Amino acid sequence: DIQMTQSPSSLSASVGDRVTITCRASQSISGYLNWYQQKPGKAPKLLIYAAYRLQGGVPSRFSGSGSGTDFTLTISSLQPEDFAIYYCQQSHSTPWTFGQGTKVEIK
Amino acid sequence: QVQLQESGPGLVKPSQTLSLTCTVSGASINSGGYYWSWIRQPAGKGLEWIGRMYTSGSTNYNPSLRSRVTILVDTSENQFSLKLSSVTAADTAVYYCARVWRGDYGETYFDYWGQGTLVTVSS
Repeated sequence: DIQMTQSPSSLSASVGDRVTITCRASQSISGYLNWYQQKPGKAPKLLIYAAYRLQGGVPSRFSGSGSGTDFTLTISSLQPEDFAIYYCQQSHSTPWTFGQGTKVEIK
Repeated sequence: QVQLQESGPGLVKPSQTLSLTCTVSGASINSGGYYWSWIRQPAGKGLEWIGRMYTSGSTNYNPSLRSRVTILVDTSENQFSLKLSSVTAADTAVYYCARVWRGDYGETYFDYWGQGTLVTVSS
């Protein structure tokens, strides 16, 4: 299985801050990396697919980059509605696997 | 608007079989270009992919669960289902069904999710 490791596991930030979350794969996954946002009691929501492609309806303050084994999700200016848990997920090969999540909290 | 809705018992006894159904509206399970998948999430923990099926009925399962999992499709009802046998407390989780987009360049991602249903394994 491909292991996905996110860092940090949690972070505290203020509204307006630039936030960066990293995701590392245990082997190369090319660009087959997706990012999801999950709020309490809700299903995950797709933000970014194929490493950098923004899903329709997702604000442009979200962006993704990377390829191979190292990937980044950036929120350019954190908004109140962005406080949530973020997961990366590799779709290079089955079993599809997720990172452990990064919780973004209010400072 | 594509919607998925999980249904099934919220409580299952140990050693029994967990059975859930996902009803899809706004899209046809028969239409090509998608997988249909199950994912679970224990309380306070991360996401685990359980398996996927294609319209043809072909399936792929997570090896960690393969011996106990079956995903079936009922195209007449536009539903697909999950069966997980010999459950234990470790199978207690919120179970999600999801549609998986299959892109032209091999990219796949979960684009629509059900709201999730909590299944507790307890006697």
